[in-house]
Amino acid sequence: QVTLKESGPGILQPSQTLSLTCTFSGFSLSTYGMGVGWIRQPSGKGLEWLANIWWDDDKYYNPSLKNRLTISKDTSNNQAFLKITNVDTADTATYYCARTRQTTGAFDYWGQGVMVTVSS
Amino acid sequence: DVVLTQTPVAQPVTLGDQASISCRSSQSLVHSNGNTYLEWYLQKPGQSPQLLIYKVSNRFSGVPDRFIGSGSGSDFTLKISRVEPEDLGVYYCFQATHDPRTFGGGTKLELK
Repeated sequence: QVTLKESGPGILQPSQTLSLTCTFSGFSLSTYGMGVGWIRQPSGKGLEWLANIWWDDDKYYNPSLKNRLTISKDTSNNQAFLKITNVDTADTATYYCARTRQTTGAFDYWGQGVMVTVSS
Repeated sequence: DVVLTQTPVAQPVTLGDQASISCRSSQSLVHSNGNTYLEWYLQKPGQSPQLLIYKVSNRFSGVPDRFIGSGSGSDFTLKISRVEPEDLGVYYCFQATHDPRTFGGGTKLELK
């Protein structure tokens, strides 16, 4: 059974760095073709893809966030991480992590999401 | 970046009717490997998105056969035959052919 769960700070101030953790089970990020992605959704709005990390440590980012993103993984502890530097109110959203596979490109299992508020 | 345009923005339906959602891409979604990485997701109220269809027309595990994905190149459609109450929510198309990956703006399936 594949499960993912996001965790984060809840609230942070503008200009700080947002650190998110995705803890998963039921698959391994050392398995060929496996990946984890991060997607966010401001309240009442649509979905925005942020980044993917793959089993071979290949990483892809959404350039709209202008080099503020860093994705990483800890394979032995079944975790993936996302950092967003220099946050502002526009980064207020629910952040999801999801499993993806190279064969489909799809996010087949999603976490429940974690709400992050940026406010002074 | 690839822009995915979904129409309509809202689709009022009667339970038991068919619904159809269009997703048009600003460029072809055929990958150099020959695959087309166009997916469909449903986000029910208060829930995370869930995968319905991958690579244009393949139903994910457990997805009822009343969900049918079709299309090619840059023009794709999701049809839902015999809409049931659990089908209501916002549908998103998503492309994983080109980086950055992008979502469509969403189509809300709602009761008339």
